[in-house]
Amino acid sequence: DAGVIQSPRHEVTEMGQEVTLRCKPISGHNSLFWYRQTMMRGLELLIYFNNNVPIDDSGMPEDRFSAKMPNASFSTLKIQPSEPRDSAVYFCASSLYRSGRGYGYTFGSGTRLTVV
Amino acid sequence: GQQLNQSPQSMFIQEGEDVSMNCTSSSIFNTWLWYKQDPGEGPVLLIALYKAGELTSNGRLTAQFGITRKDSFLNISASIPSDVGIYFCAGQSGGTSYGKLTFGQGTILTVHP
Repeated sequence: DAGVIQSPRHEVTEMGQEVTLRCKPISGHNSLFWYRQTMMRGLELLIYFNNNVPIDDSGMPEDRFSAKMPNASFSTLKIQPSEPRDSAVYFCASSLYRSGRGYGYTFGSGTRLTVV
Repeated sequence: GQQLNQSPQSMFIQEGEDVSMNCTSSSIFNTWLWYKQDPGEGPVLLIALYKAGELTSNGRLTAQFGITRKDSFLNISASIPSDVGIYFCAGQSGGTSYGKLTFGQGTILTVHP
């Protein structure tokens, strides 16, 4: 398996532009998580899905952030409009959740977003 | 909400030394995991623990699931330069969490040759 695939690896954009981050989870995994990592705040959970359904988006910082999972093999995180304080590394992770137990995440390599 | 306190925040050690780090929680978890993050990469799973009292090894790494289910520790023996990175503990509670993990703040490990 190729693991969790995120694109792009790096994104530099101007303030006010729309940014779309993409994630392909591991085949067979039924939970997907979006995290943001910064030095100041560490790993922050933004939103997670189970069987393509958003379960908890309380970590999404503002209405400028939105996420979708149209099918089991693809998810997007969109920021519109982007702001400099959105600069961070964004990680997607997937896992198998079965019979009330999760089996740990597999993380992607992340997207380093810089908003100037 | 659930919080994990991971310590120490950072460690500077000499190659060959043993390392110990731990996590404590205000609530019970039914799974504990330890991850390592290398620069520019996502965290990678090192060890998963599923039962209270469980002691598991993976090469030079040993981790334990505390009997109270509110703590876990990770030991690294005979450290080498490639052990450098950030180590995260993570816990998963039961119920309708869908496998969601709560992460510690991380321990930054530096190994001097």
